[in-house]
Amino acid sequence: AQSVSQHNHHVILSEAASLELGCNYSYGGTVNLFWYVQYPGQHLQLLLKYFSGDPLVKGIKGFEAEFIKSKFSFNLRKPSVQWSDTAEYFCAVYGQNFVFGPGTRLSVLP
Amino acid sequence: AAGVIQSPRHLIKEKRETATLKCYPIPRHDTVYWYQQGPGQDPQFLISFYEKMQSDKGSIPDRFSAQQFSDYHSELNMSSLELGDSALYFCASSLRGSRELVDTQYFGPGTRLTVL
Repeated sequence: AQSVSQHNHHVILSEAASLELGCNYSYGGTVNLFWYVQYPGQHLQLLLKYFSGDPLVKGIKGFEAEFIKSKFSFNLRKPSVQWSDTAEYFCAVYGQNFVFGPGTRLSVLP
Repeated sequence: AAGVIQSPRHLIKEKRETATLKCYPIPRHDTVYWYQQGPGQDPQFLISFYEKMQSDKGSIPDRFSAQQFSDYHSELNMSSLELGDSALYFCASSLRGSRELVDTQYFGPGTRLTVL
């Protein structure tokens, strides 16, 4: 069965720190990969997506993610976080169907 | 740009009552998905529709039903509401076409349902 895991439940960083959120999936076939962000009190928004081509994907707000097929991973990165990045981040994978990871709560301290 | 519209935004119901949530997809999108997000949980897929036909079914309780209409809007009908149904219900829409467009899902703002 298809599944998605995210390494950290809650990450706390200071402003300007670098961020990496882990995402691993299990599915043997071709996948499309997504990162969504949910700011406090708001709905899910698409940060970035990978379908094919360059495995390093750049998204909005300075985020990027790298698809490493051999590791079944799609980690999200940002070189320098801001207080406004405080949110819940969901990795999602579309293989057989669309599945979300459990989410990682990011708290950025001013 | 037009986005996914959901109504109502907030809904308060008593146990055993019924509720109907509505979703209006982005214009020209033909696929609608429903998700349930409980407090502190990740979104759980309930059901999806493509061209007015059910295309996939997830963890939707038997007490719930949904349909997609000719104008592509969708309604989620919930009966015999339970306290545990209190959650944020998201609708997402997408355009099913080339592989590049498959399941780039655009989410609505959600309907917050509170069951008392």
